[in-house]
Amino acid sequence: GESVGLHLPTLSVQEGDNSIINCAYSNSASDYFIWYKQESGKGPQFIIDIRSNMDKRQGQRVTVLLNKTVKHLSLQIAATQPGDSAVYFCAENIGGYSTLTFGKGTMLLVSP
Amino acid sequence: GAVVSQHPSWVICKSGTSVKIECRSLDFQATTMFWYRQFPKQSLMLMATSNEGSKATYEQGVEKDKFLINHASLTLSTLTVTSAHPEDSSFYICSASVVSPGTNYGYTFGSGTRLTVV
Repeated sequence: GESVGLHLPTLSVQEGDNSIINCAYSNSASDYFIWYKQESGKGPQFIIDIRSNMDKRQGQRVTVLLNKTVKHLSLQIAATQPGDSAVYFCAENIGGYSTLTFGKGTMLLVSP
Repeated sequence: GAVVSQHPSWVICKSGTSVKIECRSLDFQATTMFWYRQFPKQSLMLMATSNEGSKATYEQGVEKDKFLINHASLTLSTLTVTSAHPEDSSFYICSASVVSPGTNYGYTFGSGTRLTVV
């Protein structure tokens, strides 16, 4: 596999701020991307996904941006809340059928 | 929505014993199930992919004789850690894939199993 990291970057924000979490993917053939939220001791929870024929997709308080030119993905969380504190992973695959490859993850810490 | 139940949520076992972890898709049929391993502060690492009724495909470096995977039905896959040792202590997570990926439920994850080998 690829995109496996040994260290977890941390993003610290204040409650109410907007958060931006970034992810670089490595496989130019990947055409389906997912953002997951993982709380301590739990499995990953789906947040939002995007296909490569789009460059932006919005959900409730979250927006995913995809830049295929530089193979970069970002997750924007509006009005971040303490409950958003978790580790966020991007994942990529090809066609939506194959195995997911996870990025190294970013820990988001939201202080009140 | 799609729910994947993983059991047990945590287990402590003695070195040399075997441990079985179950992964069930509760309200859908999972054609493919994936098993991941996650060490503290690290990402999920794919161990193997299993399709119902066929042998699992293991990732490079994962011992198939140590991590036995059985996918006997479209709703159940099991991972057995055989002759467990302290270095096998980790967080194991399963994921089930539905037939129509690209939806919110393309890949649904279980809640994970914390294995501690003493």
